[in-house]
Amino acid sequence: DSGVTQTPKHLITATGQRVTLRCSPRSGDLSVYWYQQSLDQGLQFLIQYYNGEERAKGNILERFSAQQFPDLHSELNLSSLELGDSALYFCASSVGTSGVNEQFFGPGTRLTVL
Amino acid sequence: TQLLEQSPQFLSIQEGENLTVYCNSSSVFSSLQWYRQEPGEGPVLLVTVVTGGEVKKLKRLTFQFGDARKDSSLHITAAQPGDTGLYLCAGEGVYNQGGKLIFGQGTELSVKP
Repeated sequence: DSGVTQTPKHLITATGQRVTLRCSPRSGDLSVYWYQQSLDQGLQFLIQYYNGEERAKGNILERFSAQQFPDLHSELNLSSLELGDSALYFCASSVGTSGVNEQFFGPGTRLTVL
Repeated sequence: TQLLEQSPQFLSIQEGENLTVYCNSSSVFSSLQWYRQEPGEGPVLLVTVVTGGEVKKLKRLTFQFGDARKDSSLHITAAQPGDTGLYLCAGEGVYNQGGKLIFGQGTELSVKP
């Protein structure tokens, strides 16, 4: 158990819908990262938050957005869903942003868009 | 764009054999992490290497960071069925803002009893 929790474990929805994925980082970690894992793309970095502020952005679609709340949990919002958005979404956390950032991953949310 | 190439992509061996997985890039990384992932679960951190030429051992697993910090390898001695899984290398760029990781495509290892 990495100490990172994600809910829900599975999500099945239809095209055009909007969903919210939730992540709670390890106790004491200030950074939260979101990654998408699909069969053809592997693990791709989406976005990072540090202590409530956006720190880095990867190949995140405009239909996707995220935020980190004062209690440090984070939510990833996916809207106008398409079939191609079906993937595993992982949250990871680390202590900070400088030095060696060992990231610990949650169990993931499997999103299926029908 | 920084890329990490892992090889081989797939590896099927018998219990007791040795194997090596490679992770290569043309870019320099400030650190490199190795993860192991089981189907439907999140990656689990195995080790982090930081210094060029560094070697770390974790029981039967030996990790090495290249002298130029552009490549890494994972060697497993006397593989066991419990070693089966997806092995991922991930690098943190030298000029990285924030600490995001760039992942290789992974090596799918199957160890047959």
